[in-house]
Amino acid sequence: EAQVTQNPRYLITVTGKKLTVTCSQNMNHEYMSWYRQDPGLGLRQIYYSMNVEVTDKGDVPEGYKVSRKEKRNFPLILESPSPNQTSLYFCASKAGGPSYEQYFGPGTRLTVT
Amino acid sequence: EDQVTQSPEALRLQEGESSSLNCSYTVSGLRGLFWYRQDPGKGPEFLFTLYSAGEEKEKERLKATLTKKESFLHITAPKPEDSATYLCAVQGSGYSTLTFGKGTMLLVSP
Repeated sequence: EAQVTQNPRYLITVTGKKLTVTCSQNMNHEYMSWYRQDPGLGLRQIYYSMNVEVTDKGDVPEGYKVSRKEKRNFPLILESPSPNQTSLYFCASKAGGPSYEQYFGPGTRLTVT
Repeated sequence: EDQVTQSPEALRLQEGESSSLNCSYTVSGLRGLFWYRQDPGKGPEFLFTLYSAGEEKEKERLKATLTKKESFLHITAPKPEDSATYLCAVQGSGYSTLTFGKGTMLLVSP
């Protein structure tokens, strides 16, 4: 089954404790991205990657890091999480080209206390 | 800067009561306008892509249309299972960023 998977699905952590949210897709997509979704603000892009070893900032990259060492994986790293990073996070992927639709993972609900 | 505005923010319908959701956009060089459905706590689910003014696409009770400034998602004879948040997004010529609206929350009562 073609899908985007994320782990963990739920995470509660404390301020400053480094964490990684994994994302994997099995559709051989070139493009992958991370979004956060907050009430009243909608979906906002954090980082994206157009291919292996190629990453760039989205609209809200502060406090996040990413890497793309393999085509199928695109982990999101929070080196020193803060309470304002409490949010619902989505990973997405699509085939190359701007006209293709993105397919989203199931989401990771992160709470930073 | 690409912008997407969806209206209304929330819509309550009776089962069978048809209506339309609006998505107004400004974009530099439209490469695609996308409609997604999102259930609470879940990832957005792709519905349609529209590429140029005049284009229409249908899926079951949903029909999406596109003009140069806006898109409509028409819902014909909705059922309670159509209750969800519907998101509109545009892809401009910049390629890298998909810009989303804040969504319309639809509730269909039996």
